[in-house]
Amino acid sequence: DTEVTQTPKHLVMGMTNKKSLKCEQHMGHRAMYWYKQKAKKPPELMFVYSYEKLSINESVPSRFSPECPNSSLLNLHLHALQPEDSALYLCASSQDPGVRSNEQFFGPGTRLTVL
Amino acid sequence: AQKITQTQPGMFVQEKEAVTLDCTYDTSDPSYGLFWYKQPSSGEMIFLIYQGSYDQQNATEGRYSLNFQKARKSANLVISASQLGDSAMYFCAMREISTGGGNKLTFGTGTQLKVEL
Repeated sequence: DTEVTQTPKHLVMGMTNKKSLKCEQHMGHRAMYWYKQKAKKPPELMFVYSYEKLSINESVPSRFSPECPNSSLLNLHLHALQPEDSALYLCASSQDPGVRSNEQFFGPGTRLTVL
Repeated sequence: AQKITQTQPGMFVQEKEAVTLDCTYDTSDPSYGLFWYKQPSSGEMIFLIYQGSYDQQNATEGRYSLNFQKARKSANLVISASQLGDSAMYFCAMREISTGGGNKLTFGTGTQLKVEL
């Protein structure tokens, strides 16, 4: 299994809703990532988990809450989002957090719309 | 701080022709990695090719090759024999290893490639 899966593919939510994005990989990778991508822009790193511990938080607002329950699973909990948070949310994983040559494998993304 | 620059917002190429997508970078780290990713309209980022700063030879992967000129700090992607399926956004990215663990990818602004008949 050489893929990263993300659910749901599309999500529409109101500003008062609570929802979660899910990401899963079964490649034995020990680093997992959340990126946010606005239309026609490059992805922007949000969080990095290394060996199930949060290692990087790129000053993301607290309405985004990541969780890594185990080495295969990564969640992003959403609460009280704003319309400007509408974007494509990409999950990625890489084999060894400390090795520069390891490419990141990306999932297909979740397209989030906040009304 | 690292910086990646892609100066071509859009490119057109005829089917079966070769095309070069430009990427320049800036970093003070002597050890770094450069990546190219393809993003079709469906959204998924697809890894194409990797070049390490200490690699002696330019990387190649099938129809993709990387023209790495270290002194000029450029890492251009060459796609040979373009196909209609190559139409997509292409991102150049540089990775640094964070002291806390995990790798940070910094992306360029991307080049939208359109392959025409």
